[in-house]
Amino acid sequence: DQQVKQNSPSLSVQEGRISILNCDYTNSMFDYFLWYKKYPAEGPTFLISISSIKDKNEDGRFTVFLNKSAKHLSLHIVPSQPGDSAVYFCAASGGYGNKLVFGAGTILRVKS
Amino acid sequence: EPEVTQTPSHQVTQMGQEVILRCVPISNHLYFYWYRQILGQKVEFLVSFYNNEISEKSEIFDDQFSVERPDGSNFTLKIRSTKLEDSAMYFCASTVQSEKLFFGSGTQLSVL
Repeated sequence: DQQVKQNSPSLSVQEGRISILNCDYTNSMFDYFLWYKKYPAEGPTFLISISSIKDKNEDGRFTVFLNKSAKHLSLHIVPSQPGDSAVYFCAASGGYGNKLVFGAGTILRVKS
Repeated sequence: EPEVTQTPSHQVTQMGQEVILRCVPISNHLYFYWYRQILGQKVEFLVSFYNNEISEKSEIFDDQFSVERPDGSNFTLKIRSTKLEDSAMYFCASTVQSEKLFFGSGTQLSVL
């Protein structure tokens, strides 16, 4: 049951350049999308989110874009920094109180 | 900043033994969750808990699993008779009334 898919297991980017992480979903009932960052042996940490009524949300170096018709969202990190190296999970929700459904994650490596 | 606290950080047990994983959610939160991540796999939903009862559970959450909020602050996950395949990182999460979940640092459960 892969309702949320992150098709790129890993991404390597040079420091200062843009990192683009992609996520696709299949369930039309999802109306809220989140990105979490995770370091080894730690819990997921919330990064940024977007409601289905928006197509873009920006927070500092992080921007999330949502294309509802394509059921696709992306996370842009610019400029990328070595400290951004982590696993990034896309997650989707059908509303508050509902579970989050996670993608498989993308390992981001930012090279200095 | 308030955080979700999980104990122990590591738990080693023999197959067939009972384990209890403990969590202290953020104090004013109302919705509570358990997730797990088997090494190298995605973060999987186990169960959600609201108003002192289970609101949703996954097919992983069978009769061997139970949750309890015994005293208004702790939230526990019990596995009655552990199996080798229960070895995973278990994450507790909570939220006040939002799609954004706050996760603890996890308990690494190793079943031998």
